[in-house]
Amino acid sequence: DQQVKQNSPSLSVQEGRISILNCDYTNSMFDYFLWYKKYPAEGPTFLISISSIKDKNEDGRFTVFLNKSAKHLSLHIVPSQPGDSAVYFCAKGAGSYQLTFGKGTKLSVIP
Amino acid sequence: DAGVIQSPRHEVTEMGQEVTLRCKPISGHDYLFWYRQTMMRGLELLIYFNNNVPIDDSGMPEDRFSAKMPNASFSTLKIQPSEPRDSAVYFCASSLGSRETQYFGPGTRLLVL
Repeated sequence: DQQVKQNSPSLSVQEGRISILNCDYTNSMFDYFLWYKKYPAEGPTFLISISSIKDKNEDGRFTVFLNKSAKHLSLHIVPSQPGDSAVYFCAKGAGSYQLTFGKGTKLSVIP
Repeated sequence: DAGVIQSPRHEVTEMGQEVTLRCKPISGHDYLFWYRQTMMRGLELLIYFNNNVPIDDSGMPEDRFSAKMPNASFSTLKIQPSEPRDSAVYFCASSLGSRETQYFGPGTRLLVL
């Protein structure tokens, strides 16, 4: 049972445009969601998070939106830069320190 | 700060052999996590420790897998005997009392022939 789903394995975006990465979840029990970014041959790095009591969190070019009624989470990157090219993981945290990750979406930003 | 250190970075072994993966967390962090990444299952938590004590090992796939944390600066994940289906990238991560920010090491890419 995949509690966190990233249905798009890959996404290509032109430099300067908006990148939208999506994540769906099946279990409503959670405290927060997170996005991690991963470059090849490196470990994932924390990017941004959102609490279950909020519907939006913004940090510079990165904004995460949470739609609890639709059980949907999205990450917006604007403007997109070539250095943003990486695999992005959505993760859910509930109660304990355990995180449940999606399988990731590979973002390619084309110069 | 050197970040989370993992060794070896790559490991190739034959089926039936024992494999030991090592991790040095960030100094001062009190939580340590072991993850496995595969194409089929993505990134999944195997086990995590708090103050060197294993808290939840429900993600450990089989008895062939074991993890230890003898002190605050060192942890091992052992597979004995190894099987081809254990081939994956194994990540170690640590955090300081934060549920959100886990700092990952670069991973160990394991190939079992």
